[in-house]
Amino acid sequence: EVQLVESGGGLVQPGRSLRLSCAASGFTFDDYAMHWVRQAPGKGLEWVSSINWNSGNIGYADSVKGRFTISRDNAKNSLYLQMNSLRAEDMALYYCAKDSTSSGVSPFDYWGQGTLVTVSS
Amino acid sequence: QSALTQPASVSGSPGQSITISCTGTSSDVGSYDLVSWYQQHPGKAPKLIIYGGRKRPSGVSNRFSGSKSGNTASLTISGLQAEDEADYYCCSYAGDSRVVFGGGTKLTVL
Repeated sequence: EVQLVESGGGLVQPGRSLRLSCAASGFTFDDYAMHWVRQAPGKGLEWVSSINWNSGNIGYADSVKGRFTISRDNAKNSLYLQMNSLRAEDMALYYCAKDSTSSGVSPFDYWGQGTLVTVSS
Repeated sequence: QSALTQPASVSGSPGQSITISCTGTSSDVGSYDLVSWYQQHPGKAPKLIIYGGRKRPSGVSNRFSGSKSGNTASLTISGLQAEDEADYYCCSYAGDSRVVFGGGTKLTVL
C-alpha cells in the first residue's frame, strides 16, 4: 500500500525558515517524480514544486521560486521542502504527492494527508 | 504562470449530468495531453479521477469522463449521486517542469 506521510509543519514567524519532510513507502521511490502541492485555508490547490526521479529536473511555482528548495533522498525514501523567508501567504496545508511518471509531468496518483504550516508573528 | 480557469460552482440534481470546464492556454492545456482532474471532499486529500485528458484510474466510476478541445478541457459527471458533491480541480503540465491547477469548482447535488 502506498503511503506518504508529511511532517515538519508548525507555527513559524514571517521571515523564518521551515523544512518539510515526506516519508514514502509501498512503492519504489526512486522510480517516480514527486511534488509538493499546497492549499491555503478555504482556498484551492496550488502546485508548489516538483522533482524528477534523479533530481535532474526541478520546477517551482513563481510564488516560491528563490525561497523554497525541493530535494529528495532516494536511499531514505524521503522528499523534502526547505522553505525560507516565509510569508503570511505561504500559510497552507502542504501535501506531498507522488507522480505517476519518473519525469514529473503529472498526474498525482497518490497524496499524503498534509502538514499544516502557519506563518504568524 | 496563471491558474487554469474553472467555474466557481456548478449544480445538478441526482441522475442528471454536469460538465465542468477548464480553460488554459496554448502553453499548458493546449500543448499537452496531460490534463488531470481531482475530486476533493471536505477535510480530505484530493483524489485522482481523470488523467491524460480522458483516462480513468482503476476503481474510478465510469460516470466520470474527460475530454479536451484546444485550450479547454472538460470533466463530465453523469448520473449524479449525492456522494459526488465535492470540489473538483483540473491540472495541466505547463512545460519546464511546471504544473498548474485550476481554481476549483464546487459541485452541489441538489
